[in-house]
Amino acid sequence: QQQVKQSPQSLIVQKGGIPIINCAYENTAFDYFPWYQQFPGKGPALLIAIRPDVSEKKEGRFTISFNKSAKQFSLHIMDSQPGDSATYFCAASPGYSSASKIIFGSGTRLSIRP
Amino acid sequence: GAVVSQHPSWVICKSGTSVKIECRSLDFQATTMFWYRQFPKQSLMLMATSNEGSKATYEQGVEKDKFLINHASLTLSTLTVTSAHPEDSSFYICSATGTSDYEQYFGPGTRLTVT
Repeated sequence: QQQVKQSPQSLIVQKGGIPIINCAYENTAFDYFPWYQQFPGKGPALLIAIRPDVSEKKEGRFTISFNKSAKQFSLHIMDSQPGDSATYFCAASPGYSSASKIIFGSGTRLSIRP
Repeated sequence: GAVVSQHPSWVICKSGTSVKIECRSLDFQATTMFWYRQFPKQSLMLMATSNEGSKATYEQGVEKDKFLINHASLTLSTLTVTSAHPEDSSFYICSATGTSDYEQYFGPGTRLTVT
């Protein structure tokens, strides 16, 4: 119940395309859903996050779509660029407090071809 | 703002020795710090959660006597890998949450190689 399932494991998209990464969860206590971007040899960095009271959130070229009834959420990257090539992790947290644990998905290795 | 640093960025040690990794919040006071381990091409796995001045809470399966965590101040937490073995080789990442918001800010990670 603590798992966050992420797919696909890897993804190759041409520059300008729209990669889509999907995640699903079971635990209805999760109420904070961040996405992280990680470059090789670096720590993850928060990209965008959503609470379940909204169905979509957009920040720049990054959009989260959230389906509470299906317990699924996804990340869309508009006008993808080679610099977006990285590993992306979806995550979920049961609460939004200083001590809230984050449960990470398995990650998606994204490669944007020039 | 919200910068977390780790030191060292990489370390090589011999089997049986101990190594200490520092995690610092540079521009905020960290209420809670988290330690993660990441094996190659895998996700981050939470090892423990620590609050300043109190004992760390370890995740199931993490040996507390092997991975010693000290959260000495609101800006510093340390992870000591005791009697390291080659299977402890991994990428160790810390994160911290502050008092003004609840985002976890991640450090750049420490690559540990045990020979």
